[in-house]
Amino acid sequence: EAGVAQSPRYKIIEKRQSVAFWCNPISGHATLYWYQQILGQGPKLLIQFQNNGVVDDSQLPKDRFSAERLKGVDSTLKIQPAKLEDSAVYLCASSGQGSEAFFGQGTRLTVV
Amino acid sequence: GDSVTQMEGPVTLSEEAFLTINCTYTATGYPSLFWYVQYPGEGLQLLLKATKADDKGSNKGFEATYRKETTSFHLEKGSVQVSDSAVYFCALRLTDSWGKLQFGAGTQVVVTP
Repeated sequence: EAGVAQSPRYKIIEKRQSVAFWCNPISGHATLYWYQQILGQGPKLLIQFQNNGVVDDSQLPKDRFSAERLKGVDSTLKIQPAKLEDSAVYLCASSGQGSEAFFGQGTRLTVV
Repeated sequence: GDSVTQMEGPVTLSEEAFLTINCTYTATGYPSLFWYVQYPGEGLQLLLKATKADDKGSNKGFEATYRKETTSFHLEKGSVQVSDSAVYFCALRLTDSWGKLQFGAGTQVVVTP
């Protein structure tokens, strides 16, 4: 079974630029999560989708972050404009009915 | 609010030593509890879980028991190997949270030969 795929693995951008991350969940998983992991901290949920609907985006900084999950499969997370404090690893995870969450390898973002 | 507190690292051990990583939680209701592991350069992997009080999760020689009376889920391994060097995260999931995980800050474990 293929795992959760994320790209790119690494990204370096200047502050005020925009960036987008892509996630392809495990086939058949209805639930998709985006977590932000700042160095030295545990992952924090940014947004959660059930199919293509949002069920929790309470921790998403909506003035600069956006996410979509078209057709209930792939998802993209965008930051515009980026700030220095957005430097982190962005983790995508997915889960199916009654299953635990499976995580991708993450995208490490550095904002300079 | 709901939270997870785990011991700070790094924890440095010699091979074959006993490992304990403390984890306590605060939550409303009856959460499920998890330990995830992150090896260098890799994503988070589920190590073990427990869904109700007194349950014991175990995997790869690691164990943790869900203690409701002390709101704890301490991770233990009797004899660590160099390959156990990683960051370990304790996490909880509330039953009405749509699967959302609340993580602790992580504990880095370094095992030396």
